[in-house]
Amino acid sequence: GENVEQHPSTLSVQEGDSAVIKCTYSDSASNYFPWYKQELGKGPQLIIDIRSNVGEKKDQRIAVTLNKTAKHFSLHITETQPEDSAVYFCAASGPGGGGNKLTFGTGTQLKVEL
Amino acid sequence: GAVVSQHPSRVICKSGTSVKIECRSLDFQATTMFWYRQFPKQSLMLMATSNEGSKATYEQGVEKDKFLINHASLTLSTLTVTSAHPEDSSFYICSARGQGAFTDTQYFGPGTRLTVL
Repeated sequence: GENVEQHPSTLSVQEGDSAVIKCTYSDSASNYFPWYKQELGKGPQLIIDIRSNVGEKKDQRIAVTLNKTAKHFSLHITETQPEDSAVYFCAASGPGGGGNKLTFGTGTQLKVEL
Repeated sequence: GAVVSQHPSRVICKSGTSVKIECRSLDFQATTMFWYRQFPKQSLMLMATSNEGSKATYEQGVEKDKFLINHASLTLSTLTVTSAHPEDSSFYICSARGQGAFTDTQYFGPGTRLTVL
């Protein structure tokens, strides 16, 4: 089955700096890679996703890049703000044996300090 | 759009009782919903896939008689934790799969915090 690794587990940045979170996946058939933001006590919120037919996608301060050859994808947050502090999860899914089920990374606790 | 709700948001019960959690897609029809469990400071663990009008598919290690899932309509799935015990205390989260060209996208509910005394 699919295995997703995520690094770092914790990340502290100063307000205004950029934050980068990286994930790798194992199943070459995976073709959908979402990123979720989870605040304490709440459900995950989809913030951006990318499909395997593109290499990069951007939405305001958030961008995701995908390298299919290396099987890794990254989340980039620019001009970080205190409200960006949360746990971020990457995930992967594909049409293979997983049946489009999401496999999640272990999460990154992002702290944006004033 | 793509709003998923859960009820209740928080429940405390005595050991041995059963608890039902509802998951609703508010503005779209979801033929497939998923149930996850999340322990503190851990990632989401898929418990089962709920398909409208058919039996749920459980992940390995998840007891189907313990966690009963019913997906009776295109907007509602329920998870019943039967004979709950303290080890069942966790954060339960559902998600609903999108439609059309985005059937791989999952939208999550706000979660239900279950505490079994």
